Amino acid sequence: EAQVTQNPRYLITVTGKKLTVTCSQNMNHEYMSWYRQDPGLGLRQIYYSMNVEVTDKGDVPEGYKVSRKEKRNFPLILESPSPNQTSLYFCASSFGDRDYSPLHFGNGTRLTVT
Amino acid sequence: AQSVTQPDIHITVSEGASLELRCNYSYGATPYLFWYVQSPGQGLQLLLKYFSGDTLVQGIKGFEAEFKRSQSSFNLRKPSVHWSDAAEYFCAVRMDSSYKLIFGSGTRLLVRP
Repeated sequence: EAQVTQNPRYLITVTGKKLTVTCSQNMNHEYMSWYRQDPGLGLRQIYYSMNVEVTDKGDVPEGYKVSRKEKRNFPLILESPSPNQTSLYFCASSFGDRDYSPLHFGNGTRLTVT
Repeated sequence: AQSVTQPDIHITVSEGASLELRCNYSYGATPYLFWYVQSPGQGLQLLLKYFSGDTLVQGIKGFEAEFKRSQSSFNLRKPSVHWSDAAEYFCAVRMDSSYKLIFGSGTRLLVRP
């Protein structure tokens, strides 16, 4: 089944403790992206990647890192989480070079930083 | 700057009634437009998309949307709502240069029995 898989689904952590949220897709998509969803703000892009070893900042990149060493994986790293990073996170992917390719989303990771 | 506005935060309709969710965008060129639905605890699922051609597009689950360039709108409609349609709906516009989607703030649909 074609899908985007995020882990974990729920994560509670404390300020300053490094964490990684994994994202994997099995559709051979070139383009991958991370969004955060906050009430009243919709989804805002954190980072994106057009292909392996190519990443770039989105609208709200502060406090986050990403890497794209393999085409299928795009982990989101919080080196020193803070309470304002408490949010619902979504990974998404698509065929970036095809105009009609929609984004496919994972089921989300709800992160709480205390 | 490009933006997407969904003016209704919540909408409540009775089961069987018709539905229209509003979406306005600000974008200089011809936009690529999308509607996504998010059910509780789930990711976003694509309902329909518009790139060019016929301005009335059909999607899954009986939804349709109409692109009106003169009004910069892309409203989502359904003639008869089912209780299972209760969810949050997001309109989005894609920027050509980066494949990035800009999302509206969402409209939560509640369905009365």
